[in-house]
Amino acid sequence: GQQVMQIPQYQHVQEGEDFTTYCNSSTTLSNIQWYKQRPGGHPVFLIQLVKSGEVKKQKRLTFQFGEAKKNSSLHITATQTTDVGTYFCAGGNSGAGSYQLTFGKGTKLSVIP
Amino acid sequence: GAVVSQHPSWVICKSGTSVKIECRSLDFQATTMFWYRQFPKQSLMLMATSNEGSKATYEQGVEKDKFLINHASLTLSTLTVTSAHPEDSSFYICSARPAGGREQYFGPGTRLTVT
Repeated sequence: GQQVMQIPQYQHVQEGEDFTTYCNSSTTLSNIQWYKQRPGGHPVFLIQLVKSGEVKKQKRLTFQFGEAKKNSSLHITATQTTDVGTYFCAGGNSGAGSYQLTFGKGTKLSVIP
Repeated sequence: GAVVSQHPSWVICKSGTSVKIECRSLDFQATTMFWYRQFPKQSLMLMATSNEGSKATYEQGVEKDKFLINHASLTLSTLTVTSAHPEDSSFYICSARPAGGREQYFGPGTRLTVT
C-alpha cells in the first residue's frame, strides 16, 4: 500500500533558526496536506497542496509540492517558541472516493529559546 | 468554524467491558468520518473510514467485530470498543471531512485505558 515517509523524526533548533521537514510518498499523490499537533493536542489542518510544483506560504511557513507529486516540504523561517509541535504530512489519494489520508510519522520540532 | 468534538475525552474501563466514543462535527456536515489510533510519540494509524448511512471500511488488521463503527448522521459517528483488553489502551482520534473538501478536521481525542 501507499507509504509516506517523513524526515527528520526530531529537530531541535535555536529560536530564530530555520526548520525544514521533508515528506516522500511511494506513490503519486492527488494532494498533500500538512497538519500540526501541539504537545497534548490533536492534529490541526494547516494547508493542502494539489498542483504539481505548487508553493504556498502562510506567514513564516512555506509549503512545496514536488513536480512529480510524490514529495513535499514544509519550511519555517526564523522559528519561534510557538512553532513547537509535531508536523505531519499526509498524502491523499482520492481514487477510492473517500479521500483517505496516509500520514507520515511526523517531525517533532523543539525550539530552544 | 470546522469544529469536531469527541466524547469522552478520557475513559478508564475494566477488561471485558465495552466503551463507546462519540465524534460530532459541530458546525458542518461531514460526508466522511475517520477513526485513528495514535500510540505515544507515533503517527496516526487509520483504523476505519465511515460514510453516513453505509458500513464502515476497515483497514487491514483492524477487527470490525471488535471496533464497531456507526455513522448515524452527517454530524455523528460512534466507535464502540467491544470486550476491551489492556492492549486496546490508546489514544483514539476521529476526524471529519466536510462535503466538497479533502481536508480533515480532528476531534480532541479520547484516551482509553483498559485495566
